[in-house]
Amino acid sequence: EVQLVESGGGLVKPGGSLRLSCAASGFTFSSYTMDWVRQAPGKGLEWVSSISITSSYIYYADSVKGRFTISRDNAKNSLYLQMNSLRAEDTAVYHCARDSGSRWYSDWGQGTLVTVSS
Amino acid sequence: DIVMTQSPDTLSVSPGERATLSCRASQSVSSSLAWYQQKPGQAPRLLIYGASTRATGIPARFSGSGSGTEFTLAISSLQSEDFAVYYCQQYDSWPPVTFGQGTKLEIK
Repeated sequence: EVQLVESGGGLVKPGGSLRLSCAASGFTFSSYTMDWVRQAPGKGLEWVSSISITSSYIYYADSVKGRFTISRDNAKNSLYLQMNSLRAEDTAVYHCARDSGSRWYSDWGQGTLVTVSS
Repeated sequence: DIVMTQSPDTLSVSPGERATLSCRASQSVSSSLAWYQQKPGQAPRLLIYGASTRATGIPARFSGSGSGTEFTLAISSLQSEDFAVYYCQQYDSWPPVTFGQGTKLEIK
């Protein structure tokens, strides 16, 4: 059974930093592109970032470019999102998601809540 | 970026009846369209990809259709567990992949 478990969320002040983690199991992590997708409270889904199998290809949404950094450790079956210079509008549940290989998402984690507030 | 627009925002349907949800793309996405279901406090669940292919384990009462800019998700004979929020996603032109704003399917 595929499992994606996010952690690292919490309350942070504007301008602060946070590092999210996603622990993957039940599949060969090193064979899949992985993404972060967020969901502001009561809102829809917004793609944040994507990282390819060997980290050769990395993409960011314009809204987070220059502030967020995605990374992965295939030996640890883990995906990360380093978030710096956080803003109130970054408040959301952050889901990690497994790319099917065709850019739709076959599996999602429950998410971790990030709240940016003073 | 391709803008995905879903309609209606909220759909009220009685159990046992049929529901039809729509998704429109601001430009053609061919058949690169997926549908997800999300219940409160849960992760999204993949229902449909390639506009019309059901994901593994998805009941036959869920069906997707369309291509280009107009897509439909139909749910025949609604069950209690089907009441949720549904999102469409295009993956034809990326980055970014983009999602619709969601349609809430509620019990009438």
